[in-house]
Amino acid sequence: AQSVTQLGSHVSVSEGALVLLRCNYSSSVPPYLFWYVQYPNQGLQLLLKYTSAATLVKGINGFEAEFKKSETSFHLTKPSAHMSDAAEYFCAVSDGDAGNNRKLIWGLGTSLAVNP
Amino acid sequence: ETGVTQSPTHLIKTRGQQVTLRCSSQSGHNTVSWYQQALGQGPQFIFQYYREEENGRGNFPPRFSGLQFPNYSSELNVNALELDDSALYLCASSPSGLDAEAFFGQGTRLTVV
Repeated sequence: AQSVTQLGSHVSVSEGALVLLRCNYSSSVPPYLFWYVQYPNQGLQLLLKYTSAATLVKGINGFEAEFKKSETSFHLTKPSAHMSDAAEYFCAVSDGDAGNNRKLIWGLGTSLAVNP
Repeated sequence: ETGVTQSPTHLIKTRGQQVTLRCSSQSGHNTVSWYQQALGQGPQFIFQYYREEENGRGNFPPRFSGLQFPNYSSELNVNALELDDSALYLCASSPSGLDAEAFFGQGTRLTVV
């Protein structure tokens, strides 16, 4: 079964500093991996996804993530944090068969705080 | 904005009551998934509907049930509400495929008292 572990439930950075949010996955098959962001009292919005094409994936709002099979990791980074990046970030892996029976398996989330 | 709308946005119910939550999926999406997100937790998969049939279910009791309609909109029904059912309920619509992006609604905040 697939699973996702997000290391660090809370991360705090200064504005302009590097953002690094960690995600490790467990999968017996090549995974499809996703990062979503959730602002307070909102649904989730896709930041980026890995679907076995390029290992470095660029997403919205300046975020990117690198798929490392040897480390079973898919860490999310942004070179320079902005105040508007403060939110909850979730890593997820797609679980299911080749047909339409799929679900997303989620990590517990990392709350990102950006300090002025 | 994703084009996925959920109603109502907030709801307060009494323990033992029944509730119906609604989701209008994005145009062209034939798959709808429902998730429960407790405070401070990641979303937990409840079930998924594909072309009006349930085709996947998480670890939730039978009092959680659903429907998908011919226009691919969906309902989540919860019977015999318990205090622990208090959560944000998220609906996501997507096209077919493991790599397809799921588009989420803003959620329904259910409080059971």
